[in-house]
Amino acid sequence: GAGVSQSPSNKVTEKGKDVELRCDPISGHTALYWYRQSLGQGLEFLIYFQGNSAPDKSGLPSDRFSAERTGGSVSTLTIQRTQQEDSAVYLCASARGQGSYEQYFGPGTRLTVT
Amino acid sequence: AQSVTQLGSHVSVSEGALVLLRCNYSSSVPPYLFWYVQYPNQGLQLLLKYTSAATLVKGINGFEAEFKKSETSFHLTKPSAHMSDAAEYFCAVSDRGSSNTGKLIFGQGTTLQVKP
Repeated sequence: GAGVSQSPSNKVTEKGKDVELRCDPISGHTALYWYRQSLGQGLEFLIYFQGNSAPDKSGLPSDRFSAERTGGSVSTLTIQRTQQEDSAVYLCASARGQGSYEQYFGPGTRLTVT
Repeated sequence: AQSVTQLGSHVSVSEGALVLLRCNYSSSVPPYLFWYVQYPNQGLQLLLKYTSAATLVKGINGFEAEFKKSETSFHLTKPSAHMSDAAEYFCAVSDRGSSNTGKLIFGQGTTLQVKP
């Protein structure tokens, strides 16, 4: 079966532009997480979706960041008015449930803001 | 609040030598602990996890880790390093607070170098 897929794999954008990053989780996984990996901050949690519950947005660094999950499957992370400090690898993970369930990670999207 | 500290951002061992990567955690509730490995330009892959069953956990590729509550540690070991073990390793604790989201709180990572 397919794993978690993310697109695009690389994205270069100019400062001030908006970007959308996509995550396709493993079929049947109800939990979906976004993380950011950067040199200065390491791996940071951004947002969590579980089924039809309200998402946990506690890790989003600013109101320029938002995410949605349509139909309990595909998720899109949107960054508006990108800044150079947004340059990082954005990782998506899915799991069969919350808590102790293993999270399966996608390969990530490398975002470079010039 | 939960946190993880990995001692040593870089560890270098010779092929065939013991691998020891250190991880200490802080948690106000019994923790769920994980070790992930990341190869260059790839996502994270689970090596092993502790979820309050046996304190000695065996994972993939010959790795194991021991949960020691008294020392708040979850160190990763492998008896004999292979060249293919060269990668970055992350220790993580799962959120088990009131929201119990399972979000992972990661350590800063340890890069393992294996010398021939």
